[in-house]
This record gives sequence, C-alpha cells and structure tokens, in this order.
Amino acid sequence: SQQGEEDPQALSIQEGENATMNCSYKTSINNLQWYRQNSGRGLVHLILIRSNEREKHSGRLRVTLDTSKKSSSLLITASRAADTASYFCATDAEGGADGLTFGKGTHLIIQP
Amino acid sequence: SQTIHQWPATLVQPVGSPLSLECTVEGTSNPNLYWYRQAAGRGLQLLFYSVGIGQISSEVPQNLSASRPQDRQFILSSKKLLLSDSGFYLCAWETQGVETQYFGPGTRLLVL
Repeated sequence: SQQGEEDPQALSIQEGENATMNCSYKTSINNLQWYRQNSGRGLVHLILIRSNEREKHSGRLRVTLDTSKKSSSLLITASRAADTASYFCATDAEGGADGLTFGKGTHLIIQP
Repeated sequence: SQTIHQWPATLVQPVGSPLSLECTVEGTSNPNLYWYRQAAGRGLQLLFYSVGIGQISSEVPQNLSASRPQDRQFILSSKKLLLSDSGFYLCAWETQGVETQYFGPGTRLLVL
C-alpha cells in the first residue's frame, strides 16, 4: 500500500504565487524526501528531511515535517513556469526494507 | 560524476513476449540499485532492490524478475509480458549509507 499520500492531487496557480503541497504517511520514518518529475521523465531529488528535523530550506523550497501528525509539506515560493511538474513525497521507513515508498504525487501547473 | 543510463527509452511489446530492460551506473562503486514502476496516473511502486552482485530482493509478487550480473548493471526481465506490465519503469541508485536516490530517465513500456 502507498505510504505517502500527497494532496492536492492537482494544483494550478499563477506564476509568482506560492505553491503548497502536503504529504501524509502511516509508519515511523527515518527520513522523508521530495522529488520532482517532469512529464514522462525520471525523478529528480529535491530535498531530504530527517525524522528529527522540523523544517528545511533549499533555495525557493521549504519543507516541514510533523512526525506527531505524520505529515510533511513542501512550499515553493515565487513559483515559475518551469516549476510545472509532478511532485512526490517518499518515505524511508524506520526498520523497513530498503527502498523508498512513494505517494501518488501532486501535479502542479504554473500558469504564466 | 555519476550517471545512470536506462534503455530503451520506449518499448512496445506484444502480450506473451519476453522483456529485458537494462540499467547501468557510471562513476560509483557498489551502489544500491532499485527498479520502480509507475503506472499511469499513479505513484511509484518499488519492484526490486539490490545491495550487491547477485543479491536481489523483491518487494511484490509479480510477473517480473531482476538480475545484477555486474556491480553497476541491473536488469529487469520477464519471460512472458502481461497487459498489466505496461508502465513507466525507473531505475535508481544510491550510495550505500546515503539516503538519497538518483533516478534514470526511465523506460516507457506498452504491452499490446
């Protein structure tokens, strides 16, 4: 079963606005990661946040993690047309088998 | 620098035919290797992972198999394809002990 569940499934905003995507998961984790996938292509790693971290920044990206609620959010500030892509959260389960468990993703469209 | 290759990029195969998808990694040694499948409109599902030559772990029962004949080569195979094997197959690698995975460009498989 899917560990991570992103919402919304799709998000359309105007260029320059901020985009927020959320992810919920079910089991204890070592870390949570966010990936981007441009249409029909491989995934690109964006950011990793460990279970003992609450917030992390990377350029225009801000990730939060609330382990008590088993949820994470990805904020993209000052969005650009090039940010149009699908965004996936992935969890590295504590004590689990190797490999990440991905959610179904949020499809983000930035309108110029 | 490290690079990961997958081929072919696109494949159309009839039901019942065999399959061989190849993934190779350059610029690193003894990586963990992964095969994921992404069905249309869905997240990624971990199929196989390998921590070393000849060591394969399967996450889900299926019609597919994997092999790792060399340190940086990971092959996904099937003896007889099913319609349900259609999807986007992604190979990924990570340095052992480091939690970030790097994905290849993917192979789009259509079984008719």
